[in-house]
Amino acid sequence: QVQLVQSGAEVKKPGASVKVSCKASGYTFTSYYIHWVRQAPGQGLEWMGMINPSGGTTSYPQKFQGRVTMTRDTSTSTVYMELSSLRSEDTAVYYCARDLNSGGAFFCLDYWGQGTLVTVSS
Amino acid sequence: QSALTQPASMSGSPGQSITISCTGTSSDVGYYNYVSWYQQHPGKAPKLMIYDVSNRPSGVSNRFSGSKSGNTASLTISGLQAEDEADYFCTSYTSSSTLVFGGGTKLTVL
Repeated sequence: QVQLVQSGAEVKKPGASVKVSCKASGYTFTSYYIHWVRQAPGQGLEWMGMINPSGGTTSYPQKFQGRVTMTRDTSTSTVYMELSSLRSEDTAVYYCARDLNSGGAFFCLDYWGQGTLVTVSS
Repeated sequence: QSALTQPASMSGSPGQSITISCTGTSSDVGYYNYVSWYQQHPGKAPKLMIYDVSNRPSGVSNRFSGSKSGNTASLTISGLQAEDEADYFCTSYTSSSTLVFGGGTKLTVL
C-alpha cells in the first residue's frame, strides 16, 4: 500500500532553516510528483511547490521562491523540503502529498504524509 | 494568487443534503477542470474526495459529488452523516502553473 512517512517535529529559532523528509513506499517512486503543503495552526492549507522525483525538477510559487528547496534521493525513495530564514509565521504542520497522476502533475493529491509540525520560536 | 473563496462554516442535519461553494476566477476555476475537494478531520491529513471537478477516487462514498459552473465549483454531500463533520477544502490549478486552495469550510452535522 502507498505510504508517505514524514520526519518528526522540529523546533527552530527565527532565521534558522528546517529540512523535513518524506519517505515513500508502496509504488514506483519516480513515477509520481510529490507536493508540499503547509497548514498554520487553525488555518487553511497552502501549496509550497512540487518536485518530480524522476528528474528532480521543481516548481515553487512566487511566495516561496528563494526560500524553499525541494530535493530527492532516489536510492531511498525520499523527498526533502528545506525552508530557510524561518520566521514565526512559518510555524505550521508541513505535509508531503503524492500527485494522483503518474507521468505528469495533475495537481491533485491522493496520498498524504502524516504531517510534521515545525515550530519557530525564540 | 488569491485563495479561492469558500463559506467559513455550514451546517446540516443528518439525512439532509448540503452544497459547499468554491469561487475562483477565470484564471483558475473558470478556465481549468482541475478542481479537487478534500476532507480533513481534526488532527488528520486531508483526504481526497473529488478530483477533476466531479470524479470520485475509489473508496469515496457516492454521497459526495462535484460540479462546476463558470468560476464557481461546488461539492454536494447528500444524506449527511455524523462522520461527514469535518473541514472541506477546494483546490484549483491556476494559469500561473500553481495550485491554489480555498480557505476551507467547517461543516457541522447538527
